[in-house]
Amino acid sequence: EVQLVQSGAEVKKPGESLKISCKGSGYSFTSYWIGWVRQMPGKGLEWMGIIYPGDSDTRYSPSFQGQVTISADKSISTVYLQWSSLKASDTAMYYCARHVGYSYGYEWFDPWGQGTLVTVSS
Amino acid sequence: DIQMTQSPSSLSASVGDRVTIACRASQSINNYLNWYQQKPGKAPKVLIYAASSLQSGVPSRFSGSGSGTDFTLTISSLQPEDFATYYCQQSYSTPPYTFGQGTKLEIK
Repeated sequence: EVQLVQSGAEVKKPGESLKISCKGSGYSFTSYWIGWVRQMPGKGLEWMGIIYPGDSDTRYSPSFQGQVTISADKSISTVYLQWSSLKASDTAMYYCARHVGYSYGYEWFDPWGQGTLVTVSS
Repeated sequence: DIQMTQSPSSLSASVGDRVTIACRASQSINNYLNWYQQKPGKAPKVLIYAASSLQSGVPSRFSGSGSGTDFTLTISSLQPEDFATYYCQQSYSTPPYTFGQGTKLEIK
């Protein structure tokens, strides 16, 4: 069974750093891109970026470029999302998801991790 | 970035109703369009990819259509478990592969 398991909920203060994780299993981890999606409280889905664990090629949405860093450690089948200085506005649920498809443009996310809730509050 | 606009933002319907949700892209995206369902407190799951292809395991009452800039998701006969929020997503050209703002389907 293909699974993505994310790290647990975090409560942080503004200005602190954070790294959350997403561990893949049940498939060839280095052969699929993995993406991150933000969902702020009561809001919709926002596409943040994707990484190819095979060579760590990374693409960011302009909205998130410079605000977060996506990285991967293929030796342990894990992708990360990190912040160097959190803001209250980073409070959200963050999902990782495997990026799949069969041809250029025919690409979608499946499956998704269970989500990691990040709360940033003083 | 390509902007995706869904309508309506919310919708009330009854079990057994036929429901249609629309999604419009800010430019032509061929048929590079996916639909997801999200239930409260759960991660999204894909229903439809490539505008009209049904993901394995998804009930046949779900269908998608469209090409270019205008797309629809149709549920032919609403079931109690279908009350959720639905999102479209484009996968045209280079990232970001943006989502629509969502359509919340509620019980009437």
